[in-house]
Amino acid sequence: EIVLTQSPGTLSLSPGERATLSCRASETVNSNYLAWYQQKPGQAPRLLIYGASSRATDISDRFSGSGAGTDFTLTISRLEPEDSAVYYCQQYGRSVVTFGQGSKVEIK
Amino acid sequence: QLQMQESGPGLVKPSETLSLTCIVSGGSISRSGNYCGWIRQSPGKGLEWIGNFYYSGSSYYNPSLKSRVAMSVDSSKNQFSLKLSSVTAADTAIYYCARSLRHYDVLTGSPTFYFDLWGRGTLVTVSS
Repeated sequence: EIVLTQSPGTLSLSPGERATLSCRASETVNSNYLAWYQQKPGQAPRLLIYGASSRATDISDRFSGSGAGTDFTLTISRLEPEDSAVYYCQQYGRSVVTFGQGSKVEIK
Repeated sequence: QLQMQESGPGLVKPSETLSLTCIVSGGSISRSGNYCGWIRQSPGKGLEWIGNFYYSGSSYYNPSLKSRVAMSVDSSKNQFSLKLSSVTAADTAIYYCARSLRHYDVLTGSPTFYFDLWGRGTLVTVSS
């Protein structure tokens, strides 16, 4: 199965700054079938991005996804306090879908 | 608006069977394209895909759990079910059901999924 490694483990930034989160796959993610989720404490994950770069319904344009092959990035521009959360990537290029271990974004 | 809600016992004894239900409201589960996925989250293993089920009866399980998992649907009640047998402490987790969007693994032709609408999750503890 494909192993997804996310970095950094924790990112601490101020409101208005830009967050860049990385997701690296152990092998090529076919068709760029890569999704990103946001999870706040006590809540279920929420889909942000699918197909590596397509925003899900009602997701702010401050969230953008990019990348291909084995390297993918989630960028959050103009951070707001409500963006404090753990972010997960998930590949669905292979029939056994897998998730990364998560990156935590803290807002100072 | 479609909503998913998990329900079931919060405590299961070791070696017994974990049984959960995902109640779907705001729409029919028999609508074409409505797959139900089950995902669990534990501190030790993070997010782990358990499997997916289609209302017509097609099922797709994670090979690591396949020998212990069974999924089903009750269309009359608009709900999906998950059973996980022979549980141990390692099965302690928050269990989520989620509406799933299907694509295909281009190498094998098998379905593959991502998850666009999640239930709130239910904590299941395995302990005697």
